[in-house]
Amino acid sequence: EVQLVESGGGLVQPGGSLRLSCAASGFTFSSYSMNWVRQAPGKGLEWVSYISSSSSTIYYADSVKGRFTISRDNAKNSLYLQMNSLRAEDTAVYYCARSVFQDYWGQGTLVTVSS
Amino acid sequence: QSALTQPASVSGSPGQSITISCTGTSSDVGSYNLVSWYQQHPGKAPKLMIYEGSKRPSGVSNRFSGSKSGNTASLTISGLQAEDEADYYCCSYAGSSTLFGGGTKLTVL
Repeated sequence: EVQLVESGGGLVQPGGSLRLSCAASGFTFSSYSMNWVRQAPGKGLEWVSYISSSSSTIYYADSVKGRFTISRDNAKNSLYLQMNSLRAEDTAVYYCARSVFQDYWGQGTLVTVSS
Repeated sequence: QSALTQPASVSGSPGQSITISCTGTSSDVGSYNLVSWYQQHPGKAPKLMIYEGSKRPSGVSNRFSGSKSGNTASLTISGLQAEDEADYYCCSYAGSSTLFGGGTKLTVL
């Protein structure tokens, strides 16, 4: 069974940093690209970042470019999102999702940016 | 990176069919056959319902179907059931980015 479990969310002050993790199981993690997608409270889905299976291709949404860094460790079956210079508008549930089709999603982890 | 355009809400009675549109541009929906549709119930993670425009993942009811014409993709749900009431999002590959629609709230009357 495919499972994606996010962790690392929490309350952080504006300008602060946070590192999210996504632990994958039930499939060959190294064979799949991965995404981070977020959803602000009461709002729609917003794609954040993409990383190919070998980390050779990485994309970011304009809203996070230069502040967020996506990475993965195929040996640990894990995906990461390093978030720096956080702003109030980054407050959201962050989901990791498998493949370009985003066919499996985790349950999400809440990031709250507030003073 | 502008969001795809979806109607804010649609409604239908049990047994009826509804269609949700998703309008993009020639740089996203119109250029790639990589439109996906997701269903999201309150407090839950999104669930993939359609990928590559018209393909259904294993386990998704054949009441759900997808199509595309030009820069507009569509999701049709036939034989509406109470459990179909949810938010629906379209999504398109756009080269070096991925775009979501604003979401459509489906109400089953």
